[in-house]
Amino acid sequence: GAGVSQTPSNKVTEKGKYVELRCDPISGHTALYWYRQSLGQGPEFLIYFQGTGAADDSGLPNDRFFAVRPEGSVSTLKIQRTERGDSAVYLCASSYSRGGTQYFGPGTRLLVL
Amino acid sequence: AQTVTQSQPEMSVQEAETVTLSCTYDTSESDYYLFWYKQPPSRQMILVIRQEAYKQQNATENRFSVNFQKAAKSFSLKISDSQLGDAAMYFCAYRRPMDSNYQLIWGAGTKLIIKP
Repeated sequence: GAGVSQTPSNKVTEKGKYVELRCDPISGHTALYWYRQSLGQGPEFLIYFQGTGAADDSGLPNDRFFAVRPEGSVSTLKIQRTERGDSAVYLCASSYSRGGTQYFGPGTRLLVL
Repeated sequence: AQTVTQSQPEMSVQEAETVTLSCTYDTSESDYYLFWYKQPPSRQMILVIRQEAYKQQNATENRFSVNFQKAAKSFSLKISDSQLGDAAMYFCAYRRPMDSNYQLIWGAGTKLIIKP
């Protein structure tokens, strides 16, 4: 079956702009995670959804970051007033249930100029 | 807080040989999960192997096996008969089973180079 998909694959934007990153999880997976991976590092947790609700958003770095999952499937990570420090690969993962093995998408590489 | 350490930024191995990647972690939990993920240049994290801490037996998946030493908090990955397609970044990750968010806590990764 189809895996986790993320769009766009790459995004270049200017400092101060608004961006949206989309994640389409594996069909039937109720849990969805967003991670951020800076160059040369392992991923860092941003937010976790169980169904439609954000069960834990403790990893979001500040209030410029927000994520939604209105129908319990596709999720969108939104970044306002982007900064150069936001440049990273944003990874999305889903699992069949909370605590299940997480399967990852190919990520979106964000570059803020 | 839990931490994961991968002390080898880069490793190289001759094709068809065996290589071991190291991972240590720090936790006060007794029950948890450990993972090795592979990240090729395509960026997609691919699950290689998973180990439940309550299991004494080391996990194996074909050419991949782990040496899980719970008391030493060590979780190394052995790749046998290395192939060119094994070249990638390898990440060790830790997850608490009853954590409220089940987030994965990651090491910094080891770059594996396969020499033909």
